[in-house]
Amino acid sequence: DARVTQTPRHKVTEMGQEVTMRCQPILGHNTVFWYRQTMMQGLELLAYFRNRAPLDDSGMPKDRFSAEMPDATLATLKIQPSEPRDSAVYFCASAVRAAQYFGPGTRLLVL
Amino acid sequence: QQPVQSPQAVILREGEDAVINCSSSKALYSVHWYRQKHGEAPIFLMILLKGGEQKGHDKISASFNEKKQQSSLYLTASQLSYSGTYFCGTEIGLQGGSEKLVFGKGTKLTVNP
Repeated sequence: DARVTQTPRHKVTEMGQEVTMRCQPILGHNTVFWYRQTMMQGLELLAYFRNRAPLDDSGMPKDRFSAEMPDATLATLKIQPSEPRDSAVYFCASAVRAAQYFGPGTRLLVL
Repeated sequence: QQPVQSPQAVILREGEDAVINCSSSKALYSVHWYRQKHGEAPIFLMILLKGGEQKGHDKISASFNEKKQQSSLYLTASQLSYSGTYFCGTEIGLQGGSEKLVFGKGTKLTVNP
């Protein structure tokens, strides 16, 4: 059955390193979201795309985060340089007709 | 503009009912409900659009009162599988179509045998 896939599933890195997370949305879904989940803040929207065009990235720290969608089958979220406060679970979700389907997440730990 | 969910946590015995509420300070176009089990991704349950609709999904149903800017999720005859954290996601505005959601902090539901 169709699912959103994310890689890597887990990532441990040191402060200052670059982190790239990848997402493959469900085929045919034209809207892709990046969320970050922490115990303190809950589920926060970082950025989202429709038909590969960025619509809103106001939730993203602009100085270190960037999100792109180079083609319809791939969305990327990059953190450079990473900081310990970036430790969280990062979810990608894709949607068609509003219902959002979440990937399994990337669990990021920045030491 | 984050919606407020109540209660924060609830513990039930199998077969009991529960209600989870979601309130917003802003006018809403739609309310989405998701359930997340520990260590897993949120799973879509249902969407309610403005117009005061009510929806059902097995023994889980929900209502949306746009005038009060709130939605309620009803779980009847709870099963062990209902355990998890329930999130409401609200789409702000009167026109809709942005699909941009703001999620509440969640309600942790525990169903015991």
